[in-house]
Amino acid sequence: KQEVTQIPAALSVPEGENLVLNCSFTDSAIYNLQWFRQDPGKGLTSLLLIQSSQREQTSGRLNASLDKSSGRSTLYIAASQPGDSATYLCAVRPAETSGSRLTFGEGTQLTVNP
Amino acid sequence: EAGVTQFPSHSVIEKGQTVTLRCDPISGHDNLYWYRRVMGKEIKFLLHFVKESKQDESGMPNNRFLAERTGGTYSTLKVQPAELEDSGVYFCASSQRLALSTDTQYFGPGTRLTVL
Repeated sequence: KQEVTQIPAALSVPEGENLVLNCSFTDSAIYNLQWFRQDPGKGLTSLLLIQSSQREQTSGRLNASLDKSSGRSTLYIAASQPGDSATYLCAVRPAETSGSRLTFGEGTQLTVNP
Repeated sequence: EAGVTQFPSHSVIEKGQTVTLRCDPISGHDNLYWYRRVMGKEIKFLLHFVKESKQDESGMPNNRFLAERTGGTYSTLKVQPAELEDSGVYFCASSQRLALSTDTQYFGPGTRLTVL
């Protein structure tokens, strides 16, 4: 059974700092991995999707890496801003099922202080 | 282009009552998914529709939950009768699913259900 863990559960940093969020998963048989952002009371916004054959994806100040063999992904946020404050969720699409489901971690709650 | 929409945004009901949640996927998305997040836990998969057919309903917790997608457009999720442990946020997502490796699921804002 696939399990996803995110560390840390919460993170508070000053504005301008570069930071790394971690995600680990127990089964390397995945189709892809997605990073999402959730603002309070809002839905999930997809940030980056990394296919199982890829090593990283970049979008603006965000860079996500994937090491499938070790079951790890990181989300790097450069030059953090107060507007980056949100909960960041990691989800994998396991190949063990029909490919329907995403399996989520519990998230990292990020606060960027001005 | 409109995103995934869900109605209502909040629902407060008493134990034993019935509640129906609605999801309208992005136009043209044949794949529709339901997830939920109960307090203190991670978001968990409930089921997946391809058009009007249930592709995978292995995440449905019990037979008090009934999902439908008549006509392959919007979907409803009915909880009857509701129990206290059903409280949480119910998310709907949709995707085109052209290829599993690149398929992105787009999520709605969720419905917050509180059962008293």
